[in-house]
Amino acid sequence: ETGVTQSPTHLIKTRGQQVTLRCSSQSGHNTVSWYQQALGQGPQFIFQYYREEENGRGNFPPRFSGLQFPNYSSELNVNALELDDSALYLCASRTSSNTGELFFGEGSRLTVL
Amino acid sequence: EDQVTQSPEALRLQEGESSSLNCSYTVSGLRGLFWYRQDPGKGPEFLFTLYSAGEEKEKERLKATLTKKESFLHITAPKPEDSATYLCAVHRHQGGKLIFGQGTELSVKP
Repeated sequence: ETGVTQSPTHLIKTRGQQVTLRCSSQSGHNTVSWYQQALGQGPQFIFQYYREEENGRGNFPPRFSGLQFPNYSSELNVNALELDDSALYLCASRTSSNTGELFFGEGSRLTVL
Repeated sequence: EDQVTQSPEALRLQEGESSSLNCSYTVSGLRGLFWYRQDPGKGPEFLFTLYSAGEEKEKERLKATLTKKESFLHITAPKPEDSATYLCAVHRHQGGKLIFGQGTELSVKP
């Protein structure tokens, strides 16, 4: 167990809806990042938050947005869901913005119908 | 463009049959190379970080090595419980993201 917890574990949405995924980082970790993992693929970087500010973003459209709170927990929001958004969404935390091992949660499995 | 390629995509071994997984990478300014293990429906589990060419790390039946262009994950006398997908990822000096390969799915039969 890494200490990174995510919720919900599974959810089903329909195209066009909005979703919020939540993550509590491991104790002592102030940096949180989100990854999208499609079936049979490696995780793809969405964005990273450090001290409540986004400080890195991958090739994802603006309808993917996030927040980090003072206790370092984080949210991933996806608007106007598309079928291709179906994936495992992984949250990961580390001790600082640019160094150290990244520890992952178990993920949130999103299915868009 | 930064790229990570893992081979083979899938590997089937008999229990006790040693083998190696390959991770080839091209990245500008490597800060570190990570190996993760991922079980079906679960998040990746951290195994190793390698920082410089020539470095080696071991954990139970696993040994990871690094050169300037690739990394190997050697599995000695594997057991069925070693069955999983093994992911390789690189970390650049600029930015905090990891760039992952597509993984190698390892199956070890008794």
